[in-house]
Amino acid sequence: QVQLQESGPGLVKPSGTLSLTCTVSGGSISNFYWSWIRQPPGKGLEWMGYVYNAGSTSYNPSLESRVSMSVDTSKNQFSLKLTSLTSTDTAIYYCARATGTFMTPVAYWGQGTLVTVSS
Amino acid sequence: QSVVTQPPSVSGAPGQRVTISCTGSSSNIGGGYAVHWYQQLPGTAPKVIINGNNNRPSGVPDRFSASKSGTSASLAITGLQAEDEADYYCQSYDSSLSGFVFGTGTKVSVL
Repeated sequence: QVQLQESGPGLVKPSGTLSLTCTVSGGSISNFYWSWIRQPPGKGLEWMGYVYNAGSTSYNPSLESRVSMSVDTSKNQFSLKLTSLTSTDTAIYYCARATGTFMTPVAYWGQGTLVTVSS
Repeated sequence: QSVVTQPPSVSGAPGQRVTISCTGSSSNIGGGYAVHWYQQLPGTAPKVIINGNNNRPSGVPDRFSASKSGTSASLAITGLQAEDEADYYCQSYDSSLSGFVFGTGTKVSVL
């Protein structure tokens, strides 16, 4: 069974950079669509982007100037970087994987990690 | 920015039927892309309850069903139970985003 686990800081400063890592167990990271999805407290889900085919990326246009994602196949991990942080970036950040192609549901989720942007 | 709209809340008495609408556009639902439905219980990650082929993963009760027409989709819960109280999201692919789009979310309350 595929399992995902986010790791990274819980508190970051405004104007700083957020770096999160997702460790995948129970399956190879070499295929599939690996996503980052966030949820501000009490609000809805926002797709941030995904990395697929071991390196190709697609980002939400609303974040494209600030976000980057990558895969480390040797560690079975993928990562997120988000720059120029403001309080509106405070959210639970989930790493997730679609069942198959982009037409399939996001069936596998990490437990989520709360990131607070505050000085 | 692509928007897929759901009603903020719906409610019903135990045993009743409730429906949640999911209204998109030609770049997502109307473009023929699959619509999936998720249930999110408080403090947990979302869980798929219906995929785009209207299939329910193992363990999801058959009182959940979905449909799609044009630029909209809907989720129906028949025989509403207290354990169905949760947030529900629809999700599709959006060609203008080149990625996933989630609906705005609906809170289901059992009276």
